[in-house]
Amino acid sequence: NAGVTQTPKFQVLKTGQSMTLQCAQDMNHNSMYWYRQDPGMGLRLIYYSASEGTTDKGEVPNGYNVSRLNKREFSLRLESAAPSQTSVYFCASSENPVGGFQETQYFGPGTRLLVL
Amino acid sequence: QKEVEQNSGPLSVPEGAIASLNCTYSDRGSQSFFWYRQYSGKSPELIMFIYSNGDKEDGRFTAQLNKASQYVSLLIRDSQPSDSATYLCAVQGAQKLVFGQGTRLTINP
Repeated sequence: NAGVTQTPKFQVLKTGQSMTLQCAQDMNHNSMYWYRQDPGMGLRLIYYSASEGTTDKGEVPNGYNVSRLNKREFSLRLESAAPSQTSVYFCASSENPVGGFQETQYFGPGTRLLVL
Repeated sequence: QKEVEQNSGPLSVPEGAIASLNCTYSDRGSQSFFWYRQYSGKSPELIMFIYSNGDKEDGRFTAQLNKASQYVSLLIRDSQPSDSATYLCAVQGAQKLVFGQGTRLTINP
C-alpha cells in the first residue's frame, strides 16, 4: 500500500516547455487534488476532482490543465511553462462521500519544479 | 479577508513548554477542521481533525474548536525539538479544504 505517489520528484523546464505531473493513489479514494506551495503562501488549490469523471477549478487554475484518467490517477499538465510556475506541487486524495463531511486528505511526496 | 488565517510566526517555544497555535476562519458553515504538520522539504501529514465544539485530545496534542467565535487551535504539551515544523490549519469548504498559510514552530532545547 503506497498511498499517494507522484512522478517526477524534481524537474527543470525552460520557459515555454510543457510537461505532465503524474499522481496515483491506491486507497480507492473518490476525490483527488492538486496544490502548489510557495514560500509564505501555504497550500493553494489548483484543480480538484470530487469523483471519477469530474474536475473543477480551484484557487489558481490559470496555466494548468488536469485529467482524471480513472479513479486512481489524476494528472496535471503545464502546456507552456512560465517562471511563475516554479513551485512545489502536491497531489492529495481523500475518501469524501458526496455531501458528507470533508475527510482527511493524504498527500503525496511532492514534485519540485523549476522553470528557467 | 482570507478564508483561513494563521499567524505565520515563527513561534519559538522552550522544550517542555506548551505550544499554542491558532487559526481563524470566515465560513460559518464549515463543519470539519484539520491540523497538519509539515517538516521542511516534506509533505503535510495529518495530526488531528475535529468536528464538534470543545476539546479533542490525542496524546500530547489537543485541538480546540469554537464555532461561535470561528476559531480552532492546537495545543502541544511537553513540546519536543521534533515538534519543530510548520503547522497548517485546514477548514472544510465546498468539496475541498481551504488551508491557512501555516505557522512555523521552533522548539528550543
